[in-house]
This record gives sequence, structure tokens and C-alpha cells, in this order.
Amino acid sequence: KAGVTQTPRYLIKTRGQQVTLSCSPISGHRSVSWYQQTPGQGLQFLFEYFSETQRNKGNFPGRFSGRQFSNSRSEMNVSTLELGDSALYLCASSGTASKMTGELFFGEGSRLTVL
Amino acid sequence: AQKITQTQPGMFVQEKEAVTLDCTYDTSDQSYGLFWYKQPSSGEMIFLIYQGSYDEQNATEGRYSLNFQKARKSANLVISASQLGDSAMYFCAMREGPSNDYKLSFGAGTTVTVRA
Repeated sequence: KAGVTQTPRYLIKTRGQQVTLSCSPISGHRSVSWYQQTPGQGLQFLFEYFSETQRNKGNFPGRFSGRQFSNSRSEMNVSTLELGDSALYLCASSGTASKMTGELFFGEGSRLTVL
Repeated sequence: AQKITQTQPGMFVQEKEAVTLDCTYDTSDQSYGLFWYKQPSSGEMIFLIYQGSYDEQNATEGRYSLNFQKARKSANLVISASQLGDSAMYFCAMREGPSNDYKLSFGAGTTVTVRA
């Protein structure tokens, strides 16, 4: 069973640009969550999508947005990039098999560097 | 206030020995879940073990066990018979509310280095 796939794995952008990150969940999983990981702030929840609807949102500015498609694939977008947006962005999926625990299955992340 | 506190930034352990990673949590919910994840240098977060707030027995998964002390609000991870491949960052996390709420709060993590 294929795991969670995130693309691209690494990318470099400059301040003011925008970036789109993609996440393909495990087949059959309908929930996709996004987390930002930085050395200073640790792991922080960005948002969660279920069946194309945003169900939960963390405390991030409006420059961070996301969406989910009918095949459960998800994208997140960061506009007007700032140096502080440099981070590892992790995507996680969850499905009915993990319904009792709420276990998340994570991808390897997209490492964004903003110069 | 921090929901998850991991007080050990880094730990060294000898191969084949056991190690305990501390985790305390803060919640007013009656229903919650506690997780431990391992993050090797590749970046992927690997699920290790889960403990539900209503579970009376401590969770175990192979060499991993969770020492759950509800009154103290602690959920320590014990790794027995450490292996070199256990060297990684370990995160304690909590889900508050129903199990279909997939928002987790993570601790700052503990780096474990296993010595041969």
C-alpha cells in the first residue's frame, strides 16, 4: 500500500513569491492534514480537509491556504513568502481504519527554503 | 499554555538498554488520545503507539510501551532493547475531543542517540 506522497521534496523560493505544495494521501483516506515544522516553533497544525471541505484550521495568516480535490489529493499554497515561512511542511492522511485512534500517516514532507 | 511538554531535549542510550522519554500533557477534555511519533533524519513522521484516555491498560507495540498515568497527566514512552536504528527525534502528541478530529498538538520533541 503506497504511503503519503508529497511533492516537491525540496524547493527554494525568494521573498514575495508564492508556492504550491502537493500531497497524495494513502488510497482510501479522505482526511488530509497539513503541519508546519520549524526549529523555533516546532510542529504546528495548519489545516485539515475532509471530502473537499476544510474542517479545521490552525492559527496561521490568510497567506496560507489549501484545498482538497475529489480524489482526496490536497494542495497547500503560501503567498507572498516571508523568510519565516522556511520550514518542513508535512502532510498527513487518515482514514476509517484509524477511526478509533485518529492515527495520522505522514509523508516525508516538503522542505521549503525562502531566501 | 503548552498542551504537550517534553522536558528532555536530547538523550543518549547504550545499545540494548531501555530508555524512557517523558511527556506530560494538559487538557480539560475527558476524551483525548495520546500518540508517540518517531522522526528520523529523512523527515517522515512514523507512528509508534497510541493511548486513549479511557484505556485502562498501558499500550504496548513491540519494543514500545506507553506508561500512562492519567492523574499525573503523563504519557511516557519506554523503548526497550534500544537499537542503532532507534536514533531519531521522538514526538509526543495529543488529540483532544473525538477520534475523528485529526488536529494534533505536538511537543517539542526529544532527540535520542543510541550508542554502540
